Amino acid sequence: QVQLKQWGAGLLKPSETLSLTCAVYGESFSGYYWTWIRQPPGRGLEWIGEINHGGTTNYNPSLKSRVTISVDTSKNQFSLKVSSVTAADTAVYFCARRMATVDYWGQGTLVTVSS
Amino acid sequence: DIQMTQSPSSLSASVGDRVTITCRASQGIRNDLGWYQQKPGKAPKRLIYAASSLQSGVPSRFSGSGSGTEFTLTISSLQPADFATYYCLQHNSYPLTFGGGTKVEIK
Repeated sequence: QVQLKQWGAGLLKPSETLSLTCAVYGESFSGYYWTWIRQPPGRGLEWIGEINHGGTTNYNPSLKSRVTISVDTSKNQFSLKVSSVTAADTAVYFCARRMATVDYWGQGTLVTVSS
Repeated sequence: DIQMTQSPSSLSASVGDRVTITCRASQGIRNDLGWYQQKPGKAPKRLIYAASSLQSGVPSRFSGSGSGTEFTLTISSLQPADFATYYCLQHNSYPLTFGGGTKVEIK
């Protein structure tokens, strides 16, 4: 059974860098895109970007200048960094697996940006 | 970007009702679409992939249809566990985009 478990800092100040990591259990890391999605409180879902086993990335242009997704295949983990955060980046962040559609999701991490 | 217009944004229905939710894509996306159910405080759960294929373990009262630009999620007989918010997601082209969501509430 595939499991994604994520962690990272939940409270940031404006201009800091958001950093989250997601570990994948029970599945090979290759053959999928490993994805980050976020959801502001009370609002809809937004695709942030993704990375594959070989390190190929795809980013949402709306966030591309501030986002870095990386992978550590030795640990079956992938990570998200978002620089220069503002209150608009306050959201629940989900890691997820995608082959075509997204199928497995992490539990979500609430990240709050507040001074 | 491909815009996914989901309607309605909310609906009230009774147990046993037939419910239909629509997603319209701003350009053709073949059948590159999934449907998701989300309950408060939880991650979304995939119901349908490839527009009409039922995810293993999902009750058969859920069905998906459509291709190109218009897609439908149907719940044939609404059950108490189905009160939730539903989203579509297109993966035909980057950036991937979600519909705005449909909140299904108890009438």
